[in-house]
Amino acid sequence: DAGITQSPRHKVTETGTPVTLRCHQTENHRYMYWYRQDPGHGLRLIHYSYGVKDTDKGEVSDGYSVSRSKTEDFLLTLESATSSQTSVYFCATETGKVLADNEQFFGPGTRLTVL
Amino acid sequence: GEDVEQSLFLSVREGDSSVINCTYTDSSSTYLYWYKQEPGAGLQLLTYIFSNMDMKQDQRLTVLLNKKDKHLSLRIADTQTGDSAIYFCAERGGDYKLSFGAGTTVTVRA
Repeated sequence: DAGITQSPRHKVTETGTPVTLRCHQTENHRYMYWYRQDPGHGLRLIHYSYGVKDTDKGEVSDGYSVSRSKTEDFLLTLESATSSQTSVYFCATETGKVLADNEQFFGPGTRLTVL
Repeated sequence: GEDVEQSLFLSVREGDSSVINCTYTDSSSTYLYWYKQEPGAGLQLLTYIFSNMDMKQDQRLTVLLNKKDKHLSLRIADTQTGDSAIYFCAERGGDYKLSFGAGTTVTVRA
C-alpha cells in the first residue's frame, strides 16, 4: 500500500463554488495522477504530474487545475464547480523509476456532488 | 486516450471459472493490466502482462494476450464470493499514460 490519502472523502457543494481536493502520499513517488470515475466511462485522466511544479493535462482537463508544490501533495481545483463535475475522484501515484510493472497505486477516492 | 473496451457485467456461479475480456486499440502498448475495485475503495493491481508475452499465470489468475487481435482476457479459476468486484482492464500506451476500460462488474452467485 502506497500510503495515499485523499481529503475530503465526501463533499457536497453548490454550482459555481470553488472546490479543492487534496491527495497526500508518503512514499516519495515521483508521478501523481488525478482521475475521475463515472459509470460507463471507467477512469479518465484529468491531470498528471511527473514531479514538483511539473504538471500536464489529461483527456478531461477542462474546468480543472492542479498544483504540486511538494512531492507528497497534489491538489485538484475546480475553479467554479458544475453539475457535470459530480463524480468520484481518484488520486494515483507511481514511483517514476523504470520498473517492470510500473504499478499505479490508488487512493480511496473522493465522492463529490455538485448541486 | 486510446480506446479500451470491455463488457460491463458478468454473473458467475461460485466455484466456476470467470473470464473477463478486453480489447484495446493502441498498437504501441507496452504493458497491460488488470485492476480490481471493491465497493467504496480505490483500484488495486491484480496482475499485468508485458506486450511481448502471450500468457501469464498467477495462482488462480490467468492472463491471455493476443497482440495481433489486441485482445486481453483474465480468467479467474474457482471463483469465490470475495471475487465479486469491478475489474478494469488498462493499457500503457506509447505516451506512457494508462487508458482504462469502463470496468466489468462481476457478481458471484451461490
